[in-house]
Amino acid sequence: SQQGEEDPQALSIQEGENATMNCSYKTSINNLQWYRQNSGRGLVHLILIRSNEREKHSGRLRVTLDTSKKSSSLLITASRAADTASYFCALDFQKLVFGTGTRLLVSP
Amino acid sequence: GAVVSQHPSRVICKSGTSVKIECRSLDFQATTMFWYRQFPKQSLMLMATSNEGSKATYEQGVEKDKFLINHASLTLSTLTVTSAHPEDSSFYICSARDSRTGGAVGTEAFFGQGTRLTVV
Repeated sequence: SQQGEEDPQALSIQEGENATMNCSYKTSINNLQWYRQNSGRGLVHLILIRSNEREKHSGRLRVTLDTSKKSSSLLITASRAADTASYFCALDFQKLVFGTGTRLLVSP
Repeated sequence: GAVVSQHPSRVICKSGTSVKIECRSLDFQATTMFWYRQFPKQSLMLMATSNEGSKATYEQGVEKDKFLINHASLTLSTLTVTSAHPEDSSFYICSARDSRTGGAVGTEAFFGQGTRLTVV
């Protein structure tokens, strides 16, 4: 399957804590993207990381990519209640193939 | 960022009727758009790739005659669920990449807000 597997499936933390989500995949990729989805809404792009990159930052987000292990991680630092959402990795072929997702709950 | 408008956001229809969902790129052109289906608390599953001016490419297991896709212009793709049944109830989302940036691998995809279809 081309779909990425994410863990954990669900994560519950307190505001101020860091949240780490992992994505593992089986095929070769050129790029991997991370998206966020608020409940019942569309998706918002967070970060794109290319296969020749190991780490990328955007604000409180940090994404890593290890192509040898076929895995990526998304770290949200100093989380806020507004970060509560589902997070998906997406393998970037001509079409985006989404991972299984992590549901993050940040409690005030 | 670029905007993709999806309409309607919610629709309830009776079994046996057809429902059309529109996906428009408001400030960019998209030669290719993608249609996804999402069940509660699950991931997005790609249904088909919509190609402007040509036939859509359907994923394995997706019924072409049931989910009709038309991509008549560079800014509009439609998904019609024909003869809808309760099992078609789901959340449908479209997405597109900007053709000006190549619209291909390695670019950001923009998503509509989704359509919640309920078939009664």
